[in-house]
Amino acid sequence: TQLLEQSPQFLSIQEGENLTVYCNSSSVFSSLQWYRQEPGEGPVLLVTVVTGGEVKKLKRLTFQFGDARKDSSLHITAAQPGDTGLYLCAGILMEYGNKLVFGAGTILRVKS
Amino acid sequence: ETGVTQTPRHLVMGMTNKKSLKCEQHLGHNAMYWYKQSAKKPLELMFVYNFKEQTENNSVPSRFSPECPNSSHLFLHLHTLQPEDSALYLCASSQVPPGGYAKNIQYFGAGTRLSVL
Repeated sequence: TQLLEQSPQFLSIQEGENLTVYCNSSSVFSSLQWYRQEPGEGPVLLVTVVTGGEVKKLKRLTFQFGDARKDSSLHITAAQPGDTGLYLCAGILMEYGNKLVFGAGTILRVKS
Repeated sequence: ETGVTQTPRHLVMGMTNKKSLKCEQHLGHNAMYWYKQSAKKPLELMFVYNFKEQTENNSVPSRFSPECPNSSHLFLHLHTLQPEDSALYLCASSQVPPGGYAKNIQYFGAGTRLSVL
């Protein structure tokens, strides 16, 4: 059982569609990060959320942190082929010694 | 360019070989990490170095041996690996706040794709 579950594992959509990916845990995060990893590259930080209920926007990407700080979502509006990649969430879990724990990721493929 | 450089980018080795992975960070950070990334699995933290001291070893087999000569360089020495060790090995760095320890906002290199035959 993973400490941090991401869903879906894989998502293939057409250009212009909207999508949401989820990150869930039974534990409370002191903070949570979203990364994007493109083929042949390492993960690159997109955003960090800290406060329960926080919403952050990065162009067409909207990140939300759950009120209880146990879950987060990433919503992409009007997806483009350049959004293709592996989306990873990573959270600092207080009950695990403030360790940074990663989910397995969501592979997103946007077809033109 | 994330400021973290890993070499080589690709490595193929036999089970009896000895090789080393290198990581260099140009961000002035004081903590460095090795991760293993396998398909469909979460990133696995292997080692953490904080101010050149190893502060974490997550039950990694002794065939993986880390070395951190200074806060900018990190090596992973490999010997007698197994085929199941084939994966992407990622190095990361971060800045540890004074008087504390936090593994957040990590900057990753592009990784070394390792294949063990």
